[in-house]
Amino acid sequence: SQKIEQNSEALNIQEGKTATLTCNYTNYSPAYLQWYRQDPGRGPVFLLLIRENEKEKRKERLKVTFDTTLKQSLFHVTASQPADSATYLCALDSGGYNKLIFGAGTRLAVHP
Amino acid sequence: DAGITQSPRHKVTETGTPVTLRCHQTENHRYMYWYRQDPGHGLRLIHYSYGVKDTDKGEVSDGYSVSRSKTEDFLLTLESATSSQTSVYFCAINPESYNEQFFGPGTRLTVL
Repeated sequence: SQKIEQNSEALNIQEGKTATLTCNYTNYSPAYLQWYRQDPGRGPVFLLLIRENEKEKRKERLKVTFDTTLKQSLFHVTASQPADSATYLCALDSGGYNKLIFGAGTRLAVHP
Repeated sequence: DAGITQSPRHKVTETGTPVTLRCHQTENHRYMYWYRQDPGHGLRLIHYSYGVKDTDKGEVSDGYSVSRSKTEDFLLTLESATSSQTSVYFCAINPESYNEQFFGPGTRLTVL
């Protein structure tokens, strides 16, 4: 079955540094991969989508890479700020009807 | 929250009672989804819908049923609630021209 793994341990970094979160998957070849942000007590919010034929995507201070050979996506937050503190979820399309499979998420804490 | 509301936002019920959660959207999108979110598991798809009266099972559908008699409403029913169904439930929509999903604010359900 399809499986997605994200670092379960929280990532603690200093303000201004770059945070790098990892998403690994097995048993599947997704057409695209997405990253969402979730704040406590709220629903996930879409951030970025990267397709299988794209190596890298950027949006402001966010950068996503997608390596279909390694079956891995990296999510970078550059010049991090305390407001970036949240849980970040990766999701893969699971074929048909835009269904998604989500990883368990990684919590990022940016300290002043 | 992209015009998505969920009701109730919080509910405490007893084992064995039926429970219905409502998801309402204001934009007439075809695709709607119900997820549950539990610590360590991330978001797991329960059921989804691709139109009025068109629904199908997701990854964790046992013990749940859904109905969609109108485009704007997607109902999730727990036939006989169990403590293992204590969770946070999220509804999502996926506009046809996008691949990303937009989530509601969630319903926190506690089954005693």
